[in-house]
Amino acid sequence: IAGITQAPTSQILAAGRRMTLRCTQDMRHNAMYWYRQDLGLGLRLIHYSNTAGTTGKGEVPDGYSVSRANTDDFPLTLASAVPSQTSVYFCASSPNRQETQYFGPGTRLLVL
Amino acid sequence: AQSVTQPDIHITVSEGASLELRCNYSYGATPYLFWYVQSPGQGLQLLLKYFSGDTLVQGIKGFEAEFKRSQSSFNLRKPSVHWSDAAEYFCAVAGPDGNKLVFGAGTILRVKS
Repeated sequence: IAGITQAPTSQILAAGRRMTLRCTQDMRHNAMYWYRQDLGLGLRLIHYSNTAGTTGKGEVPDGYSVSRANTDDFPLTLASAVPSQTSVYFCASSPNRQETQYFGPGTRLLVL
Repeated sequence: AQSVTQPDIHITVSEGASLELRCNYSYGATPYLFWYVQSPGQGLQLLLKYFSGDTLVQGIKGFEAEFKRSQSSFNLRKPSVHWSDAAEYFCAVAGPDGNKLVFGAGTILRVKS
């Protein structure tokens, strides 16, 4: 069982370009989450989804969008990347929204 | 709004010594509390969690944490640190809606031999 996979592992992106970070889980968890991790700030929630077909905004949603077409996949899209979006992005999932969250390995994104 | 404070950015302990990492939270009701560990270049791994019941919770790798409501604290402890414990540790709090998992800034643990 792979758990949560994220792709790509790392990416260098020109400012203004569109980018989609992929996240897939094989645990049939209902809830999924996207966080960004920045030095000295810990992890901050970008968007979440309690179940397929629903999404919600977290603490820092501006500049990001998500979709949840099925249970397994929860892609995060940067429509027009800016340097302040340079970060490490973690996807997580939990069986339901009030349960322990399990994290993927992360995507390192550098926007120049 | 929920918040988490980890007062220590870096901590260095000798191998075999005891460890306590501090975590203070702000939340109006009974929180759900977590400790995660992150090794360099890796994702986060759950060490332990507190939802209700016994205020002293045991986790993996010999870690434990104690929930103290009066002090709004959830400090992580280990009686004898191993070199492999060197990592970054994050405390997190969630409210009843479960979506707003708020993390502290993290504490980097260094273990010297």
